[in-house]
Amino acid sequence: ETGVTQSPTHLIKTRGQQVTLRCSSQSGHNTVSWYQQALGQGPQFIFQYYREEENGRGNFPPRFSGLQFPNYSSELNVNALELDDSALYLCASSPGTFLNYGYTFGSGTRLTVV
Amino acid sequence: SQQGEEDPQALSIQEGENATMNCSYKTSINNLQWYRQNSGRGLVHLILIRSNEREKHSGRLRVTLDTSKKSSSLLITASRAADTASYFCATDLSNDYKLSFGAGTTVTVRA
Repeated sequence: ETGVTQSPTHLIKTRGQQVTLRCSSQSGHNTVSWYQQALGQGPQFIFQYYREEENGRGNFPPRFSGLQFPNYSSELNVNALELDDSALYLCASSPGTFLNYGYTFGSGTRLTVV
Repeated sequence: SQQGEEDPQALSIQEGENATMNCSYKTSINNLQWYRQNSGRGLVHLILIRSNEREKHSGRLRVTLDTSKKSSSLLITASRAADTASYFCATDLSNDYKLSFGAGTTVTVRA
């Protein structure tokens, strides 16, 4: 059984650019959630995808968008990058939308915006 | 604002000692989860306790939940150097689809 895989592990982008982060969910998991973790803080919910549809969204602007594919892998896209977007981006998968079990997290993508 | 708050923010203990950290939250929950994070990497799920449970054990971990006080505690017994990490509580609000995390407790276990 494979876990959650995220790519790339590290990324440096310039303010104003666009970035795409990728996530392969754990086998058998149909729900993917994305979180942003700023340095020294806890993760903040960005959005969740279930069966290719957005299932909920946190307090993030529309320039944060996502996709989920038929194999349940997912992408997080961020347009018009700002310095405050520098953070660890975590993908988490689960076997359903109900939070009766723990998430399986990937190791994250460290994004630095300069 | 974050739903959960861990206390203390940081904890330093000797190997073999017990470590206790607390989490307080604001609104009714379905369940509460604890996660560990090593050096800014991915989170590892430790334990989930449902709102109708009061105590749960997993290996050297013991979690308690007091819904009347809206608080939980995580006890790590006989700590090891490998337990050095940040620990987060996360709450699942009733009928919600997201986890709300606190800012975490950083635990350092000295050899």
